[in-house]
Amino acid sequence: DVVMTQTPVSLSVSLGGQTSISCRSSQSLVHSDGNTYLYWYLQKPGQSPQLLIYKVSNRFSGVPDRFSGSGSGTDFTLKISRVEPEDLGVYYCYQGTHYPYTFGAGTKLELK
Amino acid sequence: EVQLVESGGGLVQPGASLKLSCVASGFTFSDYWMSWVRQTPGKTMEWIGDIKYDGSYTNYAPSLKNRFTISRDNAKSTLYLQMSNVRSEDTATYYCTRGRPYWGQGTLVTVSS
Repeated sequence: DVVMTQTPVSLSVSLGGQTSISCRSSQSLVHSDGNTYLYWYLQKPGQSPQLLIYKVSNRFSGVPDRFSGSGSGTDFTLKISRVEPEDLGVYYCYQGTHYPYTFGAGTKLELK
Repeated sequence: EVQLVESGGGLVQPGASLKLSCVASGFTFSDYWMSWVRQTPGKTMEWIGDIKYDGSYTNYAPSLKNRFTISRDNAKSTLYLQMSNVRSEDTATYYCTRGRPYWGQGTLVTVSS
């Protein structure tokens, strides 16, 4: 199975600040079709995960441009700028390239 | 609006069987692959498996393949997860998903004697 290693486990950030989360995969996430199926989710307390970024760097509908994804191969980053209260929760990376699909362990974003 | 509503969770004894359902609405169910994902109380996320739009093909996490079965009834727009010989480590919230963006609210399964 592809292991998704997310760092850090938790983050403390000030409102209006900027932060980033790293996700590394144990093997390349480039699919044979040329796409890289790396996703980022945010799970707010008591809610289902919500998709933020698909295929590395594409923001899902309605996601503010404060969120940006980057990376390639095995190294990926989610950046959050101008942090707002509604950004708090647990962030997960997820790979949909290799079966079985796998998630990172999550990064909890908290207020400083 | 895409809606996915899971049901069938609850308290179940170790070794028992349980069948979860997910009723879909707001889209043509028979056009989409569907998946199950679970989240443990410790918040670990695990992909369980998926099923092709016509039900002809399934994929599973190897660790669950022998005990879990995914099926669907396109006439009822319903996805199923049959769980057998459940264990304490199966305690989790079970989500059905359509692609990456759409998740249900989840149904909690607690395995305990």
